[in-house]
Amino acid sequence: GAVVSQHPSWVICKSGTSVKIECRSLDFQATTMFWYRQFPKQSLMLMATSNEGSKATYEQGVEKDKFLINHASLTLSTLTVTSAHPEDSSFYICSARQDSNQPQHFGDGTRLSIL
Amino acid sequence: QKEVEQDPGPLSVPEGAIVSLNCTYSNSAFQYFMWYRQYSRKGPELLMYTYSSGNKEDGRFTAQVDKSSKYISLFIRDSQPSDSATYLCAMRSGNNRLAFGKGNQVVVIP
Repeated sequence: GAVVSQHPSWVICKSGTSVKIECRSLDFQATTMFWYRQFPKQSLMLMATSNEGSKATYEQGVEKDKFLINHASLTLSTLTVTSAHPEDSSFYICSARQDSNQPQHFGDGTRLSIL
Repeated sequence: QKEVEQDPGPLSVPEGAIVSLNCTYSNSAFQYFMWYRQYSRKGPELLMYTYSSGNKEDGRFTAQVDKSSKYISLFIRDSQPSDSATYLCAMRSGNNRLAFGKGNQVVVIP
């Protein structure tokens, strides 16, 4: 099946640090990529949607200056959590879709812990 | 009323039993229906993807979509301990975002 690779899988860093998470579609070209946040025992919460070469569309309540998204190519999207604080600690999951007739495939997530 | 309703469980079954999961939804525009399996501390893994109404079978998994009743199901035959996970239903219309169920935790007891 389709593979989406997400890196790193786990990050621990100090408050105030910026953290970059990479998401790659390995065997298909992803016209659309998605970033989610998931709290323990809860479903996925969509943060933003990005189309290759375009600015990301953020969901209500998600700060675009805090969570910078770059979808530079059809196989790579990055999420940068800027000046991270303990409340940003969470499980971040990316997802990619080839086109609107295809399903979304998810990466394995990044566990972010801010001390 | 939430867009997608899914009983979060948990659901415990003995090994070899049939696992039956379902979701109901309110948006009649939904066309694409998915089931994902999520293990602890991992991302969701696509199990089944169907368009519009009908049945789809893949190995031990069967997905059913009944658009007239706004009801989708996932059946897992001959369940194994490795099937213990959270199962998420998801659906969308056109190019819109996915709407997820809350997820149903399944435990298969050896």
